[in-house]
Amino acid sequence: DIQLTQSPSSLSASVGDRVTITCRASQSISSYLNWYQQKPGKAPKVLIYTASNLQSGVPSRFSGSGSGTDFTLTISTLQPEDFATYYCQQSYSTPRTFGQGTKVEIK
Amino acid sequence: QVHLVQSGAEVKKPGASVKVSCKASGYTFMKYGISWVRQAPGQGLEWMGWISAYNINTNSAQKLQGRLTLTTDTSTSTSYMELRSLRSDDTAVYYCARDDRDDYGDYWGQGTLVIVSS
Repeated sequence: DIQLTQSPSSLSASVGDRVTITCRASQSISSYLNWYQQKPGKAPKVLIYTASNLQSGVPSRFSGSGSGTDFTLTISTLQPEDFATYYCQQSYSTPRTFGQGTKVEIK
Repeated sequence: QVHLVQSGAEVKKPGASVKVSCKASGYTFMKYGISWVRQAPGQGLEWMGWISAYNINTNSAQKLQGRLTLTTDTSTSTSYMELRSLRSDDTAVYYCARDDRDDYGDYWGQGTLVIVSS
């Protein structure tokens, strides 16, 4: 199984900050990497698919980059509604594994 | 608009089975697949499997094979996830998601809590 390791596991940030979350795969997954946001008690919401494609309706302050084994999710200007847990997921091979999550908290 | 509505919470004893439904609306059901993902209390997301609604191809996590069955009923635009021989570590919220080609879920159900306890 492909392992995805996110860093950091948690971070504290202020509204207006630039936030970067990384996801490293245990082997190359080309660009088959998706990013989700999950708020407590809610279903995940896809933000970025295939590494860098912004899902329709998602604010442009979210962006994704990377290929191979190293990927990044960036929130350019953190907004109050962005405090949540973020997960990466690979769709290169079965099982479609997720990272362990990164919790973004208010500083 | 696309909606996925899941069945209600379940409490099951160890060794029993559970079947969760996911009723889709707002799109042509047969043109997409459905993924299933679960989340144990306080834990991360775990992919379980995917089923195509148009050719009934499935793909599932090897650790669940033998216990997991994914099906669809195109007449009611509903997908089902059945998990057998339940154990306490199957306690989780189970989600379905519309997933075109087994790559990512773009619309999600509200989740179904399944508790396995004696």
